[in-house]
Amino acid sequence: AAGVIQSPRHLIKEKRETATLKCYPIPRHDTVYWYQQGPGQDPQFLISFYEKMQSDKGSIPDRFSAQQFSDYHSELNMSSLELGDSALYFCASTRLGGSFEQYFGPGTRLTVT
Amino acid sequence: AQSVAQPEDQVNVAEGNPLTVKCTYSVSGNPYLFWYVQYPNRGLQFLLKYITGDNLVKGSYGFEAEFNKSQTSFHLKKPSALVSDSALYFCAVRDIRSGNTGKLIFGQGTTLQVKP
Repeated sequence: AAGVIQSPRHLIKEKRETATLKCYPIPRHDTVYWYQQGPGQDPQFLISFYEKMQSDKGSIPDRFSAQQFSDYHSELNMSSLELGDSALYFCASTRLGGSFEQYFGPGTRLTVT
Repeated sequence: AQSVAQPEDQVNVAEGNPLTVKCTYSVSGNPYLFWYVQYPNRGLQFLLKYITGDNLVKGSYGFEAEFNKSQTSFHLKKPSALVSDSALYFCAVRDIRSGNTGKLIFGQGTTLQVKP
């Protein structure tokens, strides 16, 4: 079965650089979520989209922005990167009105040096 | 506030023995509860959920969980542990305050170590 695809899987950036993370949800899933998992921590919700509109916002820094496109893929744009942004970034998808569980991608490991 | 707690950082069990990973929740209204497993450098894999219905929920890889409303618990169980079950386990609750799209709020995670 098709899963959530995230790219790139690994990314190394320097402080103050920008990064773009991409997420391709499971086909026919209309809702996308972004989570950040720091070392040894639980995933923290950043932002979500339903039908290309932002549906909820969590503890996402103003330096970050995201959007969902017409093909339902989503991109998380991160600017002025800081050392503390180093983390695993997960995308998850679900189909609204479906069975509620979210399916997670393999994550993008971002390292800021 | 919606939250889940996993009181144990680590659970150790011998292969073949039953295992339990504990989770308690605090929600307003009816909880939507989930268990996920995370292997090193991998994404979170969905194991099972409780939305409504039978208190005993069966999921993937032989795992099950028991929803207990009076104790506000949703413990993950497996009758016979395998070494390959060793991983990080997260309990999560769907945040009903975030509307229909319902973000997940995770517990701190419990590392399960199954020894041969």
